[in-house]
Amino acid sequence: NAGVTQTPKFQVLKTGQSMTLQCAQDMNHNSMYWYRQDPGMGLRLIYYSASEGTTDKGEVPNGYNVSRLNKREFSLRLESAAPSQTSVYFCASSGYRGDYEQYFGPGTRLTVT
Amino acid sequence: LAKTTQPISMDSYEGQEVNITCSHNNIATNDYITWYQQFPSQGPRFIIQGYKTKVTNEVASLFIPADRKSSTLSLPRVSLSDTAVYYCLVGLPLYGNKLVFGAGTILRVKS
Repeated sequence: NAGVTQTPKFQVLKTGQSMTLQCAQDMNHNSMYWYRQDPGMGLRLIYYSASEGTTDKGEVPNGYNVSRLNKREFSLRLESAAPSQTSVYFCASSGYRGDYEQYFGPGTRLTVT
Repeated sequence: LAKTTQPISMDSYEGQEVNITCSHNNIATNDYITWYQQFPSQGPRFIIQGYKTKVTNEVASLFIPADRKSSTLSLPRVSLSDTAVYYCLVGLPLYGNKLVFGAGTILRVKS
């Protein structure tokens, strides 16, 4: 039981490049989330998916798109990366206990130059 | 969502009990109090959740007074590995109500 996995662990992009961050969970959870965490800050919600086939914007959605591919997988896409998107990105999922008990992945450290 | 206030940082020594207090003066009737722990370079980890009085698990205890305007996370006999950021969140734990993380409390445990 791997929990929540994320790929890649590290990525460096040039301004304007695009990439997709992958997330998968094996806990049969309905809800999945993408957060970003800037240095010394708390996490901010980018997008979330309450169930397969649905996605909603969080606090900071601009510059990102998401796809809930199936119940297990939730991807985050940066279409045209900007230096302001340099951050650590965390994926999370939650099950029957609701949004307040979330399980987080190890994170992707993204640098945009 | 209720606003929370926590100390920015705390220092402790190995073997001591650590109490981190969170203030949430405008907590709503149905809100729960949830604490997360985050180690450097890792995602947050759910520690404990409670509504009133006291909740205890294998990791920590959560004390909530009758007026629920504050709560205290208690970590018994901390070790160096408890050095982390601790986040207090307040809200209704149902789908659709999202977590809002503040800056948290940096706990440094020294030997």
